[in-house]
Amino acid sequence: EIVLTQSPATLSLSPGERATLSCRASQNVSGYLAWFQQKPGQPPRLLMYDASKRATDIPGRFSGSGSGTEFALSISSLEPEDFAVYYCQQRSTLPKTFGQGTKLEIK
Amino acid sequence: QVQLVQSGTEVKTPGASVKVSCKAFGYPFNSYGINWVRQAPGQGLEWMGLINPLNGNTKYAQNFQDRVTMTRNSLTSTAYMELRSLTSDDTAVYYCASGNYDAYWGQGTLVRVSS
Repeated sequence: EIVLTQSPATLSLSPGERATLSCRASQNVSGYLAWFQQKPGQPPRLLMYDASKRATDIPGRFSGSGSGTEFALSISSLEPEDFAVYYCQQRSTLPKTFGQGTKLEIK
Repeated sequence: QVQLVQSGTEVKTPGASVKVSCKAFGYPFNSYGINWVRQAPGQGLEWMGLINPLNGNTKYAQNFQDRVTMTRNSLTSTAYMELRSLTSDDTAVYYCASGNYDAYWGQGTLVRVSS
């Protein structure tokens, strides 16, 4: 199965700052990578799909990039509601797999 | 409005089985696969498998291959996930997810396994 490794495990930033989260795949997943945001007590929420396409109603401050094995999620200017856990997911090959998550916390 | 509504909390003893349901509203049930994903307390997301509602075909993650069964009832737009031989390690929130790129998620079902 394809292993996704996210870094860093925890990212401490202040509102207004820029965040960059990374996801590395153990094999080529082409562009078939998604990003999810999860807040405590809630199901995951789709942010990005196919590496760089924003899901419905996702604000423009979120952007995704990458292909193959290296991907990134950027948040241009952090809002208080952006502090959460972020997961990448590949759907290139079954089984689908998730990264272990990056916790974005308020500094 | 698209919604996936899951069944309620389950408390089971070790060795038992659990069956969780996921009822879809607001979109053609047969259009998208139904995934099952679990999350142990304080842990990440683990994909368990999926079912194609159109033909019932399934694909399970290897970790669950021997003790999970996913089914569906297209007449009621409901998917089911049964997990057998439960241990305390199966204590988790179980989610169903569907739609393009898994955009729609159920609210989660807590399954607690305890003697």
